[in-house]
Amino acid sequence: DTAVSQTPKYLVTQMGNDKSIKCEQNLGHDTMYWYKQDSKKFLKIMFSYNNKELIINETVPNRFSPKSPDKAHLNLHINSLELGDSAVYFCASSQLTINEQFFGPGTRLTVL
Amino acid sequence: SQELEQSPQSLIVQEGKNLTINCTSSKTLYGLYWYKQKYGEGLIFLMMLQKGGEEKSHEKITAKLDEKKQQSSLHITASQPSHAGIYLCGAPRGSQGNLIFGKGTKLSVKP
Repeated sequence: DTAVSQTPKYLVTQMGNDKSIKCEQNLGHDTMYWYKQDSKKFLKIMFSYNNKELIINETVPNRFSPKSPDKAHLNLHINSLELGDSAVYFCASSQLTINEQFFGPGTRLTVL
Repeated sequence: SQELEQSPQSLIVQEGKNLTINCTSSKTLYGLYWYKQKYGEGLIFLMMLQKGGEEKSHEKITAKLDEKKQQSSLHITASQPSHAGIYLCGAPRGSQGNLIFGKGTKLSVKP
């Protein structure tokens, strides 16, 4: 009965590859987010989606593309991976944008 | 742009001691969230504060938002090893829901 789940939990890949991280929430929330936590543990918003529509796109490279097939899913595709993309990526969801956000367990991406 | 400063960056306390973590904003806060993160895990929501002077408690953790809504504190009474982790304060930026976070306070509790 996990509220916000992410797969995979760990992802190790070579530079230049394309990879995807999946996120699903079963809370019935209408807004989902992707955050990036760097090696210094600094957590920063990347994208947020409300009812399958992009509402926030922070200054992230266009190699990153979120895709929301439905309200319960928000996947993150990353093309041409670079060393600097290594981080932990967290998915989160909330009901409306004013309420608390529930976070997934994170996906640790390592680019070699 | 709004920033959140947390202090201290790290904290080591003896089990049973009280401690306080602070979060200061460069602008008025329209909400303040406290989260806890354990190594290798996601963020666990602790509390949300919205009104100036508001105070909330859950078990041995109390969070306050000052009247001016620019500073929040998280107080843990009689700390236990289970309180160890990274505490993050977050605040909504605008009405679109994305949160900005402080850099976190790493808490270690010695048995």
